[in-house]
Amino acid sequence: ETGVTQSPTHLIKTRGQQVTLRCSSQSGHNTVSWYQQALGQGPQFIFQYYREEENGRGNFPPRFSGLQFPNYSSELNVNALELDDSALYLCASSSRGLGPAGYEQYFGPGTRLTVT
Amino acid sequence: AQSVTQPDIHITVSEGASLELRCNYSYGATPYLFWYVQSPGQGLQLLLKYFSGDTLVQGIKGFEAEFKRSQSSFNLRKPSVHWSDAAEYFCAVASNQAGTALIFGKGTTLSVSS
Repeated sequence: ETGVTQSPTHLIKTRGQQVTLRCSSQSGHNTVSWYQQALGQGPQFIFQYYREEENGRGNFPPRFSGLQFPNYSSELNVNALELDDSALYLCASSSRGLGPAGYEQYFGPGTRLTVT
Repeated sequence: AQSVTQPDIHITVSEGASLELRCNYSYGATPYLFWYVQSPGQGLQLLLKYFSGDTLVQGIKGFEAEFKRSQSSFNLRKPSVHWSDAAEYFCAVASNQAGTALIFGKGTTLSVSS
């Protein structure tokens, strides 16, 4: 069974630029969630994708957008990068439709984004 | 709004001693609760979860947690800590407003002294 993978591992961008982060979900999972983890904080929910559609969103502006593909992999796009976007971005996969077990999320190692 | 509070930012425990990490949640109905562990530079690993039934749940690596509705708590325990348990621990509650998202606390850093 393949776990959740994310790419790239690290990324350095300049303020105002755009970035795309990628995630491959765990085998058998149909739902992908993205979280932002600032230094010293807990993960904060950005949004979730199920059946290629956004299925819930946290308190993040529209410049944070995403996609889910037919193979359940996903992308997180951030436009007009700001210094405060520097964080660890975590992708988590789960299997919706299993009752409470659908809330069990399995995380990838994350992408460390630095905005200068 | 739902929330999770982890009152202890940093805890130091001697190796072999017992451990309890506190977690309080805010949620009207019966919550789905989770504990995750994060080692430096890594993602989060699920330790255990509570959905319903027995209020004492067992997890991996010798951890257990007890759900107490009257105290809105879900504290994590381990009878004997190992040096490899040093990490960041996060408590989370399932959201009732955003798909199957999780709402996390700010975490507790565990240091283990020899």
